Amino acid sequence: AQKITQTQPGMFVQEKEAVTLDCTYDTSDPSYGLFWYKQPSSGEMIFLIYQGSYDQQNATEGRYSLNFQKARKSANLVISASQLGDSAMYFCAMSFLIQGAQKLVFGQGTRLTINP
Amino acid sequence: GAVVSQHPSWVICKSGTSVKIECRSLDFQATTMFWYRQFPKQSLMLMATSNEGSKATYEQGVEKDKFLINHASLTLSTLTVTSAHPEDSSFYICSARIVGETQYFGPGTRLLVL
Repeated sequence: AQKITQTQPGMFVQEKEAVTLDCTYDTSDPSYGLFWYKQPSSGEMIFLIYQGSYDQQNATEGRYSLNFQKARKSANLVISASQLGDSAMYFCAMSFLIQGAQKLVFGQGTRLTINP
Repeated sequence: GAVVSQHPSWVICKSGTSVKIECRSLDFQATTMFWYRQFPKQSLMLMATSNEGSKATYEQGVEKDKFLINHASLTLSTLTVTSAHPEDSSFYICSARIVGETQYFGPGTRLLVL
């Protein structure tokens, strides 16, 4: 079965520092996708970054990068030069195909707080 | 970019009433729409997957008679919580997907059943 694990319930970081949010996953499927979403207090899910299981290079999107270590089944999110507006819940998710339908399974989330 | 809307954003209702939540893809046609539920301080849990013109596929443990899903067009899916009770109070989020692309999430609907 597919499973996503985020072991950090909460993280506190000083503004302008880099932060790494951990995510490990478990699947026996060779083809899958890994996502990170940001959920501010308003509740909307904001897509941050995507990594395909066959992608050779780590994904980057502005200040976000995904440290993809396939052998270790980890997909950590790195946020460089953190800002106060980065304070939010962050969810790691994995997409997989089951019975012809693509589904997303989410981790438990990490609450990131950026201190001024 | 792809935009998904939900209506209403907030709903408060009395126990025993039914509540309908709409999910619309505004600038694209979605092949598939998904409904999630999120309790406070918890993660998103997939409730059901719906494709236009066909019956929704519900996840294990989700009562299909309780949570009615209608996917009438490529841009609209509705979730009806029938005979709502306080334990149905939650944050409901829909998402829409184009084939070969990621899911785009709506802003969510907060339901409070008194």
